[in-house]
Amino acid sequence: AQSVTQLDSHVSVSEGTPVLLRCNYSSSYSPSLFWYVQHPNKGLQLLLKYTSAATLVKGINGFEAEFKKSETSFHLTKPSAHMSDAAEYFCVVSDRGFKTIFGAGTRLFVKA
Amino acid sequence: NAGVTQTPKFQVLKTGQSMTLQCAQDMNHEYMSWYRQDPGMGLRLIHYSVGAGITDQGEVPNGYNVSRSTTEDFPLRLLSAAPSQTSVYFCASSTAGGAYEQYFGPGTRLTVT
Repeated sequence: AQSVTQLDSHVSVSEGTPVLLRCNYSSSYSPSLFWYVQHPNKGLQLLLKYTSAATLVKGINGFEAEFKKSETSFHLTKPSAHMSDAAEYFCVVSDRGFKTIFGAGTRLFVKA
Repeated sequence: NAGVTQTPKFQVLKTGQSMTLQCAQDMNHEYMSWYRQDPGMGLRLIHYSVGAGITDQGEVPNGYNVSRSTTEDFPLRLLSAAPSQTSVYFCASSTAGGAYEQYFGPGTRLTVT
């Protein structure tokens, strides 16, 4: 069985400071892992994905995530937050290819 | 390319009514799926399809039916709407399954009174 836990429901940072959104997963197989972003009243957009290549994955808009098998984690980071990063972020796991499990989401607030 | 389109954008139903949410994609993707999004619960998979004529249940299939007669279209039917089905519904498609990037439609906000 697979599952994903986003450890923070809300994260608040100041503009220009680092962002860390935490995600732990559970999977019986080698998982594919994703981060998606959803801006208010919009659909979802892929930020980045891990599919068993490099453990450090770079995505769009300066985001990156590191796959740590020993810690079963896939945390999302960005060195410097921008106001436009304010959104909801979802960590997603897929291990059999056809079924995906979404985390509950982390809402990121960015203060000026 | 229009990508993934969904209609309607908003819908209000009375308990017991039925309706169909439409989803279409023009990317020739084999895999399509339906999710519902509820506050604090992320997105939950309702049904998915790996190709025309092939569908399967996801995490929360009760109260919903799907069919896939063409590659492009994947409608979601609510047979007898209940207030618990008030949610935002997203359709998605990908080339070959959940292990690949999924492209999402803009969503349908459904309220059941």
